[in-house]
Amino acid sequence: EPEVTQTPSHQVTQMGQEVILRCVPISNHLYFYWYRQILGQKVEFLVSFYNNEISEKSEIFDDQFSVERPDGSNFTLKIRSTKLEDSAMYFCASGRIAGGPTEQFFGPGTRLTVL
Amino acid sequence: AQTVTQSQPEMSVQEAETVTLSCTYDTSENNYYLFWYKQPPSRQMILVIRQEAYKQQNATENRFSVNFQKAAKSFSLKISDSQLGDTAMYFCAFMKQGDNFNKFYFGSGTKLNVKP
Repeated sequence: EPEVTQTPSHQVTQMGQEVILRCVPISNHLYFYWYRQILGQKVEFLVSFYNNEISEKSEIFDDQFSVERPDGSNFTLKIRSTKLEDSAMYFCASGRIAGGPTEQFFGPGTRLTVL
Repeated sequence: AQTVTQSQPEMSVQEAETVTLSCTYDTSENNYYLFWYKQPPSRQMILVIRQEAYKQQNATENRFSVNFQKAAKSFSLKISDSQLGDTAMYFCAFMKQGDNFNKFYFGSGTKLNVKP
């Protein structure tokens, strides 16, 4: 069964450094998402992406964040200058159909630790 | 704004017994969907069960069933005949109907330990 994959599983970085989190969505999916979960808190929506552009973003997704789908298979989340508070688990998800109770398929997550 | 609350950070249950995980939500929407996702250790989140708010009948999937109380804004998950493989983090989630990009609002999760 196809799965969403994410790399790396754990990323450690210094404050102020740029990080890129990578996701490979399921191949025939059209909608892509990033969520994050700070330890002990809720899973929060960051951004959705469709047709090569951002369709919605949350307040968390400020100018330090960007997403792209560079080659038609990968979907990346870039944090330009990491802060301590960016330490969290980042989940990628993909889905086929909008406007209905579509099942989103989630990756296993990347744990980002900012020192 | 939508909020989802899971008030039980961690629960334990003996194998073969029944356990109920609680979830409440707050919304002004009338049409929406509710979900339970399961995340086994070091694995992906996978869908366990979903409920359309317009349906009065509670959803069931094998050993998993929900108690959906729309007026009370409550959506609990019952796991019958618990198995060791049910050990996981369980997330309750909300999605507005007609939200074209299907954004989830999640709770903070309940860690379920099934003991042999």
